[in-house]
Amino acid sequence: EVQLVESGGGLVQPGGSLRLSCAASGFTFSTYWMSWVRQAPGKGLEWVANIKQDGSEKYYVDSVKGRFTISRDNAKNSLYLQMNSLRAEDTAVYYCATGAVAGDGYWGQGTLVTVSS
Amino acid sequence: DVVMTQSPLSLPVTLGQPASISCRSSQSLVHSDGNTYLNWFQQRPGQSPRRLIYKVSNRDSGVPDRFSGSGSGTDFTLKISRVEAEDVGVYYCLQGTHWPPGTFGQGTKVEIK
Repeated sequence: EVQLVESGGGLVQPGGSLRLSCAASGFTFSTYWMSWVRQAPGKGLEWVANIKQDGSEKYYVDSVKGRFTISRDNAKNSLYLQMNSLRAEDTAVYYCATGAVAGDGYWGQGTLVTVSS
Repeated sequence: DVVMTQSPLSLPVTLGQPASISCRSSQSLVHSDGNTYLNWFQQRPGQSPRRLIYKVSNRDSGVPDRFSGSGSGTDFTLKISRVEAEDVGVYYCLQGTHWPPGTFGQGTKVEIK
């Protein structure tokens, strides 16, 4: 059974940092592009970033460029999102998902990030 | 960036009746490889999104056959032939042809009248 389990969310002050993790199982993680998608409270879905199978290519939505860094460890079947200089508008549930735009069918349950003083 | 526009944004439906959601893209979603990367997702209240349809019209495993996808180029439709109570939620289209970024529609909220 495919599982994606996010962790690392929580309450952080504006300007702070947080590192999200996503543990993958039940499929060959190293063969998939992986994405992070977020959903602000009561709002729609927004693709945030992706990373190629070997980590050699990474892309970001403009609003997080220079602040967020996506990475992966294929040996640990894990995906990460390092979030720095957090803003109130980054408050959202963050999902990891398979595929270059999260369109390959598997999503985690999400982890909530709240940026507030 | 490709803009995905869904309509309607709210869709009250009667149980057992059909429902239709439109998704239009700001440019053609036909990829140079010949495929059209247009997906449909369902998000039930309190749950993660679940993919229903990939590449316009391919139903995912376990998705009831009352769901169908159609369309081409810039104009796509998700249809539910007979709405059931478990279909309540928000439906999103997602384009994966022209990225980055991947872009979602605004979402269509389906509720029972």
